[in-house]
Amino acid sequence: DVKVTQSSRYLVKRTGEKVFLECVQDMDHENMFWYRQDPGLGLRLIYFSYDVKMKEKGDIPEGYSVSREKKERFSLILESASTNQTSMYLCASKENTEAFFGQGTRLTVV
Amino acid sequence: DQQVKQNSPSLSVQEGRISILNCDYTNSMFDYFLWYKKYPAEGPTFLISISSIKDKNEDGRFTVFLNKSAKHLSLHIVPSQPGDSAVYFCAASDVSNQFYFGTGTSLTVIP
Repeated sequence: DVKVTQSSRYLVKRTGEKVFLECVQDMDHENMFWYRQDPGLGLRLIYFSYDVKMKEKGDIPEGYSVSREKKERFSLILESASTNQTSMYLCASKENTEAFFGQGTRLTVV
Repeated sequence: DQQVKQNSPSLSVQEGRISILNCDYTNSMFDYFLWYKKYPAEGPTFLISISSIKDKNEDGRFTVFLNKSAKHLSLHIVPSQPGDSAVYFCAASDVSNQFYFGTGTSLTVIP
């Protein structure tokens, strides 16, 4: 069974902190994605990666960076967390036509 | 600019009736469309998909219709059940390997 695992379900961080959100998939997929979901805005793509050490900016990359050192792991980094980064963060991996999502991380920046 | 649009943020339907969720897109290069269902505090789960070479795909109570000329797709759920209450996202993909998501429609099925 397909599995995408995000390291935390809920996180509370302070403004200015460096935040790491981890995502691991066990399907050997090449493509991995980070989205954020906000009310009324749907899922917005932050970054995606189509191979190890490869990354592409999505629609809203500002304030974020990513790391893909191994195929199964895709990390989202908030260099200096701000309150407008409070959101639900969703990781996905994809092969061919279907994307599989993790359970989401609800991040609150105070 | 939003390439995939769901213009109804919410929908309420009586149990047993049909739910129709709509989605419009602007990019004629999209060749694959999907619907995802999301419960609060969970990640989206895949529901049903359709390739651009088809105009209908059915899976149990769920049917997706695609009208390429109108750049419109819809998800029909019949009969609707209270457990169908969730947010539904429409998504489209092209050769770039990305998914483009709509803003979601919150469906409430009233018992």
